[in-house]
Amino acid sequence: GENVEQHPSTLSVQEGDSAVIKCTYSDSASNYFPWYKQELGKRPQLIIDIRSNVGEKKDQRIAVTLNKTAKHFSLHITETQPEDSAVYFCAASRGLTGGGNKLTFGTGTQLKVEL
Amino acid sequence: DADVTQTPRNRITKTGKRIMLECSQTKGHDRMYWYRQDPGLGLRLIYYSFDVKDINKGEISDGYSVSRQAQAKFSLSLESAIPNQTALYFCATSARSGEKLFFGSGTQLSVL
Repeated sequence: GENVEQHPSTLSVQEGDSAVIKCTYSDSASNYFPWYKQELGKRPQLIIDIRSNVGEKKDQRIAVTLNKTAKHFSLHITETQPEDSAVYFCAASRGLTGGGNKLTFGTGTQLKVEL
Repeated sequence: DADVTQTPRNRITKTGKRIMLECSQTKGHDRMYWYRQDPGLGLRLIYYSFDVKDINKGEISDGYSVSRQAQAKFSLSLESAIPNQTALYFCATSARSGEKLFFGSGTQLSVL
C-alpha cells in the first residue's frame, strides 16, 4: 500500500517568514495530493490540493508543488501569520478513478508562528 | 448547515468493555470513513464505506467493526476495548464525485 512520509514534525517560524513542509510518497499510481490543516481542538479541513497533471498550484499565501519523478510534494506558506499555527497533514491517494478515495496521510507537522 | 456529527464527544471506558461510536451526516454524501488520530502517527484509516452495502477494511481494522445503517449513519464498534485503542477518532464523508473529506468534530476515547 501507499506510504507517505512528512517532514519536519515541528516547525517554528517568525511571523512574516515563509514555511515549507515536505512529503514523499511511495505509490507511483497516486495522483491526488491534498493538504489538511487542523487547528488546536478542531477537525482537519482541506486547504489546498493538487493532481498529478499539475506541477504547482497557488491560493493566496499558500502553494503546493509536485515532483512526480521524485515522488515528493511540498506545501509553501508565505508571509506567515499567527493564525497559520496548526498541524498540517499531507496525504495521497489514487483518486476516484484509481480504486476509490482512500487517502493515506502523513504523520503531520506542527507549525508554530511566533510573534 | 449540512454537517458531520459524532457522538459521544468524549468517552472513558474500561478494558474489555464494548463501545460504539456513532457518526451521522446531513451532507447527502455516499462515502463515509473512520480514521484514528494518534500523536506522531497522523490519521490512519480504520474502515470505509462507499455506499450502504459496501464495507471495506482500512489499514488498521483489527479490533474494530463497523455498521452502515443508512446512507447517513456509520458506526464504529470496539468489541473488547484495550488501552492502546485510546485515541481521537474521526468520522469523515465525501461525495461520490469528489475527493474532499469532510470531518466530524471527533470523539476522544480513553480506555483505562
